[in-house]
Amino acid sequence: DAGVIQSPRHEVTEMGQEVTLRCKPISGHDYLFWYRQTMMRGLELLIYFNNNVPIDDSGMPEDRFSAKMPNASFSTLKIQPSEPRDSAVYFCARGRQWTSSEPQYFGPGTRLLVL
Amino acid sequence: AQTVTQSQPEMSVQEAETVTLSCTYDTSESDYYLFWYKQPPSRQMILVIRQEAYKQQNATENRFSVNFQKAAKSFSLKISDSQLGDAAMYFCAYRSASGGATNKLIFGTGTLLAVQP
Repeated sequence: DAGVIQSPRHEVTEMGQEVTLRCKPISGHDYLFWYRQTMMRGLELLIYFNNNVPIDDSGMPEDRFSAKMPNASFSTLKIQPSEPRDSAVYFCARGRQWTSSEPQYFGPGTRLLVL
Repeated sequence: AQTVTQSQPEMSVQEAETVTLSCTYDTSESDYYLFWYKQPPSRQMILVIRQEAYKQQNATENRFSVNFQKAAKSFSLKISDSQLGDAAMYFCAYRSASGGATNKLIFGTGTLLAVQP
């Protein structure tokens, strides 16, 4: 158990619909990361938070993507409107301070299919 | 910018044998961390082993060990006594230790390991 809960585990939606992915990390970790995995691009970082504040969102593909972290135990990644090219597995990961070798621990992922 | 290269898209090993997965990286930094993650068919990303760049001693975790060659920027993973459950995609990853906006993991493209019974 990596201490990260993601929901839903699978999501199928139609193009143009809004999609909200959820992440619940266990408390005590300062960092929260959102990754996307596709066959074409591999694993890529979308955004990460430190103490609930977005630090680096340079990986967010476009304005259709947004992420929030209202508290230390909850984060959302929203896609509006969704497109077929957004189909991927989306991972949430937690981590501590960057000054140690402590790794990032990943949730089980949400498999998103946009038709 | 840092990059991670895994030159072996696929590898195969017989059960109980040893296999080595290759990883090279490019960086101008002297302080960083390296990781190997395993991704089985369930898609869960599982940490296998980690290495601090300032440590000369190679990390070991049970049947998993690394060969860290800092000058060569090489970080290979050795799996001894391979088991069927080791079959998975393996990702090498780099993380800077300099902080700031560099706290992200940079992943290689992965090596798909098959274990033959």
